[in-house]
Amino acid sequence: GGIITQTPKFLIGQEGQKLTLKCQQNFNHDTMYWYRQDSGKGLRLIYYSITENDLQKGDLSEGYDASREKKSSFSLTVTSAQKNEMAVFLCASSPGTVYAEQFFGPGTRLTVL
Amino acid sequence: QQKVQQSPESLIVPEGGMASLNCTFSDRNSQYFWWYRQHSGEGPKALMSIFSNGDKKEGRFTAHLNKASLHVSLHIKDSQPSDSALYFCAVSPPPYQGGRALIFGTGTTVSVSP
Repeated sequence: GGIITQTPKFLIGQEGQKLTLKCQQNFNHDTMYWYRQDSGKGLRLIYYSITENDLQKGDLSEGYDASREKKSSFSLTVTSAQKNEMAVFLCASSPGTVYAEQFFGPGTRLTVL
Repeated sequence: QQKVQQSPESLIVPEGGMASLNCTFSDRNSQYFWWYRQHSGEGPKALMSIFSNGDKKEGRFTAHLNKASLHVSLHIKDSQPSDSALYFCAVSPPPYQGGRALIFGTGTTVSVSP
C-alpha cells in the first residue's frame, strides 16, 4: 500500500496572493493529478502529469500553475488568489496505464479573505 | 466535451434498505467507468469499476452499465450507516484522449438513517 500526503491541510490567504499547495505520494505511481472540489460538489481537473517534468492542462487550469520536479511530488500554485474563493484541492496518483484507479489524498482546504 | 450527470442529488435510505444511484454520460466512445465514495473530510476512494454491459457485483455493491443508453448505475444493498457519504460516477476518457484523467459526475449524497 501507499499514501498521499497533502500540505498544508488548511490554507488561508489574502486576495491577490500567490499560494502553493504540495502533494507527495509513495506509491511509485507515474501519473499525478490536481482536482478542485467546490462545496462538496464534483471534482474538476486542474492539471495532471504523466511523468516527471510533464504537465497536461485540465479544464480548470487558468489561474493555476503546476510543477512536477520529481516522480513522487506534484505542486500546485494559485497565481493570484480570488477573494471569497473557498474550495478543497485534491491531489491523486495512479499507475501509468490507461483506465487505472486513482488514489486520492485528504485534500487542502483553501480560504481567501 | 464529455458531460457526466448524476441523480438524485441526494437520497435518504433506511438502514438495511437499498440505495440506487444513477449516472448518465454523453460520449458514446467512453469505455471505462468508476464509482468513487467520499466520506466527509476525506478524499474519494474507488468502490468499483465496470467496462462491460450488464451487472458487476462486489459484496453489497452492484454496478450496472448500458452503453447504448449512456447509463451506469450503482445499487447498495443492505445499506449501513457507514455507507453515508458522497458518491461519484467517473468516466475514463478513451485511450486516444489519454485514458487517464477521470471526468467526475455531480455527485449523490447518500444518508443512511438508523
